[in-house]
Amino acid sequence: AQKITQTQPGMFVQEKEAVTLDCTYDTSDPSYGLFWYKQPSSGEMIFLIYQGSYDQQNATEGRYSLNFQKARKSANLVISASQLGDSAMYFCAMREGYQKVTFGIGTKLQVIP
Amino acid sequence: DTAVSQTPKYLVTQMGNDKSIKCEQNLGHDTMYWYKQDSKKFLKIMFSYNNKELIINETVPNRFSPKSPDKAHLNLHINSLELGDSAVYFCASSQEENRRSPLHFGNGTRLTVT
Repeated sequence: AQKITQTQPGMFVQEKEAVTLDCTYDTSDPSYGLFWYKQPSSGEMIFLIYQGSYDQQNATEGRYSLNFQKARKSANLVISASQLGDSAMYFCAMREGYQKVTFGIGTKLQVIP
Repeated sequence: DTAVSQTPKYLVTQMGNDKSIKCEQNLGHDTMYWYKQDSKKFLKIMFSYNNKELIINETVPNRFSPKSPDKAHLNLHINSLELGDSAVYFCASSQEENRRSPLHFGNGTRLTVT
């Protein structure tokens, strides 16, 4: 079974609008962490935001926020005020226990001027 | 002052050859990884080392052999290269004592096997 599911292979958003990228996960470990990474066309992997399973509040980092719904096992990334530079692949990932971090298949986001 | 650096950036070689990719991190992290990203952008973990000890070894062919001389370095040697090995290989590091520690990735090595 897939540990991380990203169901949107591609998304379009108008510049300056907000966009939500979906991520659901599957784990029986009560202690886990969720990450979002951005991969622009240049190829590097850029860490965006982290949410721990015991965190009381949803994580926020600048224009990025995480809509964490633990009971539904979802950790959607919200990008506010989209910019052209946000066009990239976005990966959701999960750490269970130590060391192993598993990635979803990614969502390609394109921001339209 | 690059945090995770891997060399070479591009590697073009013929089937059957042996090649190595080097990775170094200067973040003081205790855990390093190799990930493979295929043509569909799927990232799959291959190996993980914690303080020079192999922790994760996913179902990777024996032709792939990681080596960690110290906790700042994790190299990947590939024997008898095959067409299917063509991919982007990412090295990463993290501090596993801090479970909130994200993976810090190198810029990747694009391997093309012809």
